[in-house]
Amino acid sequence: ETGVTQSPTHLIKTRGQQVTLRCSSQSGHNTVSWYQQALGQGPQFIFQYYREEENGRGNFPPRFSGLQFPNYSSELNVNALELDDSALYLCASSKGQGTNQPQHFGDGTRLSIL
Amino acid sequence: GQNIDQPTEMTATEGAIVQINCTYQTSGFNGLFWYQQHAGEAPTFLSYNVLDGLEEKGRFSSFLSRSKGYSYLLLKELQMKDSASYLCAVRENDYKLSFGAGTTVTVRA
Repeated sequence: ETGVTQSPTHLIKTRGQQVTLRCSSQSGHNTVSWYQQALGQGPQFIFQYYREEENGRGNFPPRFSGLQFPNYSSELNVNALELDDSALYLCASSKGQGTNQPQHFGDGTRLSIL
Repeated sequence: GQNIDQPTEMTATEGAIVQINCTYQTSGFNGLFWYQQHAGEAPTFLSYNVLDGLEEKGRFSSFLSRSKGYSYLLLKELQMKDSASYLCAVRENDYKLSFGAGTTVTVRA
């Protein structure tokens, strides 16, 4: 069983740039959620994708957007990068939505904004 | 809004027991998860509670009281590899999982 994989592992950008992060879900999982984790904090929910549609969103501005593809992989796009966007970005996949199935996390992408 | 509180740090000796408390006030409740996260790694699932009571899984147990908005994770027979951050997370609805800031547990020999 292949777990959740994310790319790239690390990324350095400057203010105002745009970034795309990628996630391949665990086999058999059709739901993908994205989280932002600042140093010393718990993950903060950005949004969730199910059946290629965004079906829930946290308290993040519209410059955070995403996609889910027919194979259930997903992208997180962030425009107009700000210094506060420096964080670990985690992707998690699960089977269905609203069930007791746990979310399985990838190792994350460490994004640094200079 | 949501408020999920857990202690910042705990230290215990190898072989001992540690209890990590979590209190929550959230707009909805559809289950509570505990995750373990080693430094620089992904969170890994430990336990899930949706009904009141104790769930036991080997050395780890988790308890939930919905009326009190309270949960704890009990780690028994501590090992050095249990040194990690432990995250309490509440599923507020069908899609949103809200996390506490995490409790860093340090196990000493």
